[in-house]
Amino acid sequence: SQTIHQWPATLVQPVGSPLSLECTVEGTSNPNLYWYRQAAGRGLQLLFYSVGIGQISSEVPQNLSASRPQDRQFILSSKKLLLSDSGFYLCAWSTGVRNTIYFGEGSWLTVV
Amino acid sequence: AQTVTQSQPEMSVQEAETVTLSCTYDTSENNYYLFWYKQPPSRQMILVIRQEAYKQQNATENRFSVNFQKAAKSFSLKISDSQLGDTAMYFCALRGGSEKLVFGKGTKLTVNP
Repeated sequence: SQTIHQWPATLVQPVGSPLSLECTVEGTSNPNLYWYRQAAGRGLQLLFYSVGIGQISSEVPQNLSASRPQDRQFILSSKKLLLSDSGFYLCAWSTGVRNTIYFGEGSWLTVV
Repeated sequence: AQTVTQSQPEMSVQEAETVTLSCTYDTSENNYYLFWYKQPPSRQMILVIRQEAYKQQNATENRFSVNFQKAAKSFSLKISDSQLGDTAMYFCALRGGSEKLVFGKGTKLTVNP
């Protein structure tokens, strides 16, 4: 069966520091991968998605970037965090368009 | 543009009773999928049930069922025999022919003992 893991689960970072959140999917090949953000009291916002290694699409211009160095690995990064980057970040995967999207456990980021 | 609207920010139900969460949506596509996700206090987003728009039969998963009214663009979730573990945020979501999964703003459901 397929599983998705992301880490770290909780992160407290000062303003201006770098960020790296990692996500790995197991049990499937060539998945579509996604990064979502959920700000406090809000719904989910799609940040990035990837349909293959090295292929990244950005939905919202911002202080973050994403990379996919391997087929089942997706990384969310920032060179300098802003206070507004605080939130709950969810990695997700699917087997393609119109298919179910499955989510990881999420990562809490607090920028102080 | 695709939109999903959940008009009930909060709901409560007594344990063992039935509750229905409402969702309406808008899309210009004919082939799309609808989902209900549950987000408990742990914050992990868990798939509850999904419905393919081309299927007329309403989806059912144990105590969870949907009432899919395609013409009315309505997709409600019915939870039968509510349990304390059903306490969570519930999100209705729509996915068409793109990578986007469009979410509603959610309904906070509390199951009372």
